[in-house]
Amino acid sequence: ETGVTQSPTHLIKTRGQQVTLRCSSQSGHNTVSWYQQALGQGPQFIFQYYREEENGRGNFPPRFSGLQFPNYSSELNVNALELDDSALYLCASSVGGRAEAFFGQGTRLTVV
Amino acid sequence: SQQGEEDPQALSIQEGENATMNCSYKTSINNLQWYRQNSGRGLVHLILIRSNEREKHSGRLRVTLDTSKKSSSLLITASRAADTASYFCATAGLSGSEKLVFGKGTKLTVNP
Repeated sequence: ETGVTQSPTHLIKTRGQQVTLRCSSQSGHNTVSWYQQALGQGPQFIFQYYREEENGRGNFPPRFSGLQFPNYSSELNVNALELDDSALYLCASSVGGRAEAFFGQGTRLTVV
Repeated sequence: SQQGEEDPQALSIQEGENATMNCSYKTSINNLQWYRQNSGRGLVHLILIRSNEREKHSGRLRVTLDTSKKSSSLLITASRAADTASYFCATAGLSGSEKLVFGKGTKLTVNP
């Protein structure tokens, strides 16, 4: 149990729709990172937020966007969903400056 | 793109045997971490080894790092059925930021 919670756990959306995924980080952690994990692959870095500012972005299009709130919880928004967006989305929190990241259980997104 | 490559992709052993998984990576790193993932859910942090360390132990886990060969190995001794999972190596770049670059993982099956 890492103290990082994600919601919802499962979600089914239709192509073209928009989705918002949520993450509550572990107490005391001010950095949140989001990862996408396709079936049979390792997680791919989407972006990171540190103290409410974006602090690095992976190779994902602008329709993937995020927010971090003053309490360090975070949202991942994906617009104009495509079938290839079907994946497990993982949130990880950490203390700024430390590399050890604690992951939530993930949100399984299916786009049909 | 993936930074690391785990080897083998799949490993099946009997309970009580040792399991060794290898990871190779391409660029200079600040540290390398190993994670475990059960049934496509969240990742559990196992161990972190820094670039100036060569070996690290945690319980039944032993990790080695060879920066000259850009490779690492994870040894699980006296394996148990509960160790059945996918194992991923992840590298953190020279800035030491929390952006992690994962390999594709090794799927370990421990048969009772």
